Amino acid sequence: AQKVTQAQTEISVVEKEDVTLDCVYETRDTTYYLFWYKQPPSGELVFLIRRNSFDEQNEISGRYSWNFQKSTSSFNFTITASQVVDSAVYFCALSEAGAAGNKLTFGGGTRVLVKP
Amino acid sequence: DSGVTQTPKHLITATGQRVTLRCSPRSGDLSVYWYQQSLDQGLQFLIQYYNGEERAKGNILERFSAQQFPDLHSELNLSSLELGDSALYFCASSVVPGGGNEQFFGPGTRLTVL
Repeated sequence: AQKVTQAQTEISVVEKEDVTLDCVYETRDTTYYLFWYKQPPSGELVFLIRRNSFDEQNEISGRYSWNFQKSTSSFNFTITASQVVDSAVYFCALSEAGAAGNKLTFGGGTRVLVKP
Repeated sequence: DSGVTQTPKHLITATGQRVTLRCSPRSGDLSVYWYQQSLDQGLQFLIQYYNGEERAKGNILERFSAQQFPDLHSELNLSSLELGDSALYFCASSVVPGGGNEQFFGPGTRLTVL
């Protein structure tokens, strides 16, 4: 069974600080996909990034970057130079290629509060 | 704006009642998913449809049912409502099923059962 754990429930930073969100996952599949979603105070879920299990290259997209390490089953997400608008709940999610359909299994979320 | 629409935005009803939540996927998306977000359970997958057929089922109660119509919109029916059914219900869509396809979420329907 697939499982996603986000150990940090809440992180508070001052604007312009970097924020790193931890995500640890469990799956028996060899092919799977990892995602980060953002849920701002308005409530909608916004897709941020996706990573395939067979591609461990870490990337940077604007102020977002991610560190995928299969050896430790971790998929951490960093916001560089945080801004007040980054205040939201961030969810890590996992989807298995082998499962019927491709449901997302979400972690419990990490609330990020960026203070001016 | 994800392109996924959900109606109504808010719904307040009483225990024992039945409600229907509606979702229209993004143009071109054939797969629809329903998720429930509650304080107790977090974000949970309920059910998925692909081109009108049920594709996968998650932790969906027997009191809940869903369907996807020929025009690809989907409805989630919740009956014999209980206080614990109060939650934010999201619909998401993707082009086709497949673990690598990102799901785009609608704004959600907030259900309050009194």
